[in-house]
Amino acid sequence: AQSVTQLDSQVPVFEEAPVELRCNYSSSVSVYLFWYVQYPNQGLQLLLKYLSGSTLVESINGFEAEFNKSQTSFHLRKPSVHISDTAEYFCAGQNTDKLIFGTGTRLQVFP
Amino acid sequence: GAVVSQHPSRVICKSGTSVKIECRSLDFQATTMFWYRQFPKQSLMLMATSNEGSKATYEQGVEKDKFLINHASLTLSTLTVTSAHPEDSSFYICSAPRPGLAGKDTQYFGPGTRLTVL
Repeated sequence: AQSVTQLDSQVPVFEEAPVELRCNYSSSVSVYLFWYVQYPNQGLQLLLKYLSGSTLVESINGFEAEFNKSQTSFHLRKPSVHISDTAEYFCAGQNTDKLIFGTGTRLQVFP
Repeated sequence: GAVVSQHPSRVICKSGTSVKIECRSLDFQATTMFWYRQFPKQSLMLMATSNEGSKATYEQGVEKDKFLINHASLTLSTLTVTSAHPEDSSFYICSAPRPGLAGKDTQYFGPGTRLTVL
């Protein structure tokens, strides 16, 4: 069975610092991987996704994630965070047509 | 871009009443939609898969008679929480896959419905 693990429940950082949110997956078949962001009292928004091809994927707001098959990881990174990046981030894997979510990481950016 | 809407965004009801939540895909058709619930500070848990024109598929542990799902058209799925109780209070989120390149769908999520049962 496929599972997605987010190792950190909370990540506090100061503004303009780099950040990495960790995600590991387990699967015996090919996977599609996603990062979603959830702002307070809102639904999930797709941040970026890996389906195939280049292992480094980027979002329009400066986040990037790298698919690492040998380490079964899909960590999310940003070199310099903003206050507005404060949100809950969910890593998810897709097998057939179902999404399996990690438990989420709360990114708190302080001024 | 693709948009999925949910209505209502918030609902407060008395214990024992039923509540209907709508999920619509606004600019694409979806033969399948998914319903999730999210408890505070927890992840999304898949409740069921809504299938247009046929019965929904429920995940293990989800009561079919409690959470009625109807997928009457290619753009609308409804979730009815029957005889709601305080423990049903949660954030309910739907998603719909939109076909993409090479047959790889992308899930688009609705903004969620906050249900509070008093």
